[in-house]
Amino acid sequence: DAKTTQPPSMDCAEGRAANLPCNHSTISGNEYVYWYRQIHSQGPQYIIHGLKNNETNEMASLIITEDRKSSTLILPHATLRDTAVYYCIVREGRDDKIIFGKGTRLHILP
Amino acid sequence: EPEVTQTPSHQVTQMGQEVILRCVPISNHLYFYWYRQILGQKVEFLVSFYNNEISEKSEIFDDQFSVERPDGSNFTLKIRSTKLEDSAMYFCASCWGQPQSSYNSPLHFGNGTRLTVT
Repeated sequence: DAKTTQPPSMDCAEGRAANLPCNHSTISGNEYVYWYRQIHSQGPQYIIHGLKNNETNEMASLIITEDRKSSTLILPHATLRDTAVYYCIVREGRDDKIIFGKGTRLHILP
Repeated sequence: EPEVTQTPSHQVTQMGQEVILRCVPISNHLYFYWYRQILGQKVEFLVSFYNNEISEKSEIFDDQFSVERPDGSNFTLKIRSTKLEDSAMYFCASCWGQPQSSYNSPLHFGNGTRLTVT
């Protein structure tokens, strides 16, 4: 079962930053936080992952709290193409599979 | 950017028939996976494959399923005798995953094969 809790849906205005929260209060020291998204029945798309430190790439930023019990994915300037289901996943460093939960359905409003 | 490719994009078959879903993972990746997603439901793990053998499988992956890496590039999922409830999107994924590396590498997914069993 997924080890994370996410809101089922969120809205964000186009051009604004989308901040997607995730709780993972039972995360252990060797588990990474991963974010994926799925755009309308396409394959899940990798966004970003991190262990302890905040991470940024060309798609998004990942902010992990100091106690690692929660994180936030930030899409800095949301566009209509960012409308998707976003999955926050906890993955053990030595484990190879990932387990998807229900995710957050993000609606970008024009 | 390299990507995972899956063929066919859509497959229709009759109940009881065998189907083979094909995937070409990213070329230097070592771990391979199959997932499925029934319409309106979560993406579910089926099986992972490493070093030419199954490393882990879920309860869904019963005796009617098998996987194979017949050559250096393809990774296949076979369903021996399809049932109506096998209708789903099937996603292949691959991961670089060097076991001696401390780097935790992400899975990269293909865009899936939609299997319809009639």
